[in-house]
Amino acid sequence: DQQVKQNSPSLSVQEGRISILNCDYTNSMFDYFLWYKKYPAEGPTFLISISSIKDKNEDGRFTVFLNKSAKHLSLHIVPSQPGDSAVYFCAASGGGSQGNLIFGKGTKLSVKP
Amino acid sequence: KAGVTQTPRYLIKTRGQQVTLSCSPISGHRSVSWYQQTPGQGLQFLFEYFSETQRNKGNFPGRFSGRQFSNSRSEMNVSTLELGDSALYLCASSLVGPGETQYFGPGTRLLVL
Repeated sequence: DQQVKQNSPSLSVQEGRISILNCDYTNSMFDYFLWYKKYPAEGPTFLISISSIKDKNEDGRFTVFLNKSAKHLSLHIVPSQPGDSAVYFCAASGGGSQGNLIFGKGTKLSVKP
Repeated sequence: KAGVTQTPRYLIKTRGQQVTLSCSPISGHRSVSWYQQTPGQGLQFLFEYFSETQRNKGNFPGRFSGRQFSNSRSEMNVSTLELGDSALYLCASSLVGPGETQYFGPGTRLLVL
């Protein structure tokens, strides 16, 4: 049973527009959420995180929103750039630093010039 | 600070053989986690080591094993390789546990023929 779900395998966006990547989770014990970006043949790169005590965290063009009641988080990229084209993974953990990170299956974002 | 390094980057083996992969974490990081990535399956957690002890284990058969040395470097071993073991194997390190932000290496691409 998938505890972290990214229901859109792919997303295509025009350069300069907003990209919105979505992630749902089922485990209410999760209290720390992260987004990673992955290019082919490379390891995932940490992008941004949010703790369950917040509902929004912003870092430059990247903003993560957390809706605990809906068990939903989203990553907004504004404005989108062609270099943002990659696979984005959502991850969640609970149980403090020793809790495992559970990853979604990823969403492939394509930003077209 | 140097990032997480993994060796080798690419490996070709045949069924029935065994393989050992190596991971050097970021300096000062004591937790090392291993993941398997296959197309369409996202990142599947294998195990996590801290202070030379396996602290967490994912749902993989006993053919997959690992260890951690006193300098936090870690190795992963897969015995009696099967075709389905072909994957990208990723190592990630964090300060004290996998539930916090993990930093990934570039991965080892294993092909089993």
